[in-house]
Amino acid sequence: GAVVSQHPSWVICKSGTSVKIECRSLDFQATTMFWYRQFPKQSLMLMATSNEGSKATYEQGVEKDKFLINHASLTLSTLTVTSAHPEDSSFYICSASIRATWNEQFFGPGTRLTVL
Amino acid sequence: QQPVQSPQAVILREGEDAVINCSSSKALYSVHWYRQKHGEAPVFLMILLKGGEQKGHEKISASFNEKKQQSSLYLTASQLSYSGTYFCGTELTGANNLFFGTGTRLTVIP
Repeated sequence: GAVVSQHPSWVICKSGTSVKIECRSLDFQATTMFWYRQFPKQSLMLMATSNEGSKATYEQGVEKDKFLINHASLTLSTLTVTSAHPEDSSFYICSASIRATWNEQFFGPGTRLTVL
Repeated sequence: QQPVQSPQAVILREGEDAVINCSSSKALYSVHWYRQKHGEAPVFLMILLKGGEQKGHEKISASFNEKKQQSSLYLTASQLSYSGTYFCGTELTGANNLFFGTGTRLTVIP
């Protein structure tokens, strides 16, 4: 149980285009979903936290107008990278949690974005 | 708010033990440990809650000292499959998100 999927697994796009990444919890309803970005050989950096039906909370330094997050349902969150540039190339990972006494996060397999 | 891990990297022979430390400057509610293989998503290992928990599964165990805001992950009799990068994720009191540590790259060789 507690499986999280991401789509696509990888994407290559041209500079200036927008890219949408989907994150789905397949067998549970996720109270909260998180989006992380990971550069090679570095740690996961939290970008934003989203709760179903409300606006995402962005971490300091993350542009909310560039990284649009929509948490439409308890099983789906999307991240749209708008007007992507080469410096946006990274590994984007989502996770989902079920609120309980501990907030265990279940991670998706990640999406590798390459902007040419 | 990123916790600091040490060591940054370690190489072990099969069967040897290792300790990975995670230290935060903030008061913690819980510490989560994950292992990530190259090109893959992190895999959950365990959570420790404040109250001085110690926990283990098979040959991997961890402790959480909330007074020192530190956690340690203990790997005993390491196996080749233990290779990967280990991250601690810290949850602050009153928050519901994690800040991941700097990572420790563990390599187990035959």
